[in-house]
Formats: sequence, C-alpha cells, structure tokens
Amino acid sequence: DGGITQSPKYLFRKEGQNVTLSCEQNLNHDAMYWYRQDPGQGLRLIYYSQIVNDFQKGDIAEGYSVSREKKESFPLTVTSAQKNPTAFYLCASSMGGQGFYGYTFGSGTRLTVV
Amino acid sequence: AQTVTQSQPEMSVQEAETVTLSCTYDTSESDYYLFWYKQPPSRQMILVIRQEAYKQQNATENRFSVNFQKAAKSFSLKISDSQLGDAAMYFCAYRRGAQKLVFGQGTRLTINP
Repeated sequence: DGGITQSPKYLFRKEGQNVTLSCEQNLNHDAMYWYRQDPGQGLRLIYYSQIVNDFQKGDIAEGYSVSREKKESFPLTVTSAQKNPTAFYLCASSMGGQGFYGYTFGSGTRLTVV
Repeated sequence: AQTVTQSQPEMSVQEAETVTLSCTYDTSESDYYLFWYKQPPSRQMILVIRQEAYKQQNATENRFSVNFQKAAKSFSLKISDSQLGDAAMYFCAYRRGAQKLVFGQGTRLTINP
C-alpha cells in the first residue's frame, strides 16, 4: 500500500544534540512538507520541497534543516540551535500541481528533550 | 496572503446529535479547493471531505457534509448523528493549485455520551 512512513514514532534527545526525523513516501508525490504541532495547537510549517534538490523555508525554519536528495525522502534535522524542540512533528506529501488531492500525512514523530 | 479562520476553539455535542463547525477564509482567487481534516487522539491527520470552489453543489461524505458559501467565503462542516469516534481536532484548509495548504487553527470537538 502507498503511504508516508515517519520514523521513529517516539524520539528522545539530550540537550545540545542534533537528531534526524525520517520521512519516506512511496506515492510518487513531488512535494513534501514538515509541520510542527505543539499540544492543543495548530500546524506550523517548518520546511517544504516541491522538487528534488530544492526546498524552501516555512514559517518556523530556525533551528531546523532538511535535504531532498531523493523524491521519496525528506528528512528533517532538529539542531541544537532549536531552543524548544519538544513537539509533535508531522510530514506530508502532495502531487505537484494537483490541488484537488490535498495532502497525505504520515503518523508523526513525538520528540522530547530530556 | 490567504488566511483561514476557525472561530470556535472548542465545541461539544451530545452523541447522536448534529454539530456544525465554522470556517471562513480570505482569498481573491476564484479557483481553489477547501478541505476538512480530522486529527483524533492518535494524531494521524485524516481527510474528511473536500470541496472544489467551482462546484456549487455542497460536498457530502456519509454523515459529513459542508455548507459552502463562496460569496461569503464560508465553509462549515456539519456532522450528523455524532458518534464517539468523531471526537477529534478538526482543521479547515485552503489550497490553490500546487500552492501550500493554508490551515486554520483547529476546533476541538468533544462528543458527550
């Protein structure tokens, strides 16, 4: 079955460490997105990529980095510069130029700083 | 820039009754898409229903229907015969072509047994 896989489901990070969240899709979607969600809050866009080897900052990109070397993969690195990284992270993808389809979401990664 | 507003942070309804969640949006475009997503306690985002702006007929998916008022830029979601499994955060969203989805802040729906 096609879909988006995020791993790990739960991730614990020590202060000062970088961690990478994985997002893989087998839907042949062109565009991929990373969102952060704090408890009881809406979705805030971190980074997005509409094509391989290209990506743009979203609303809260500071302290995060991404790469898009393959169409299927869009990993997110939470760096030590991110002051408050504890949150729920959602990855999504969509077909290029096909607004009708909206987004397909992964099941998320919960990151906790210990 | 387009914006999406959900003015009800929280709503509650008795099981088996009907509830309507409100959403308004701001755009100068005439061709776009509107969506309602559901996020249950599992946190998985699930597409509930979508509406194409050029279609006057309101979309319906089983117990879920929308009231799309294009001139008023309003897109409300009606849930009929509410069930306990409908308890979730509901997000309204707007999209034009390949542009990013613009999400509202969400409405938390509680179902009272």
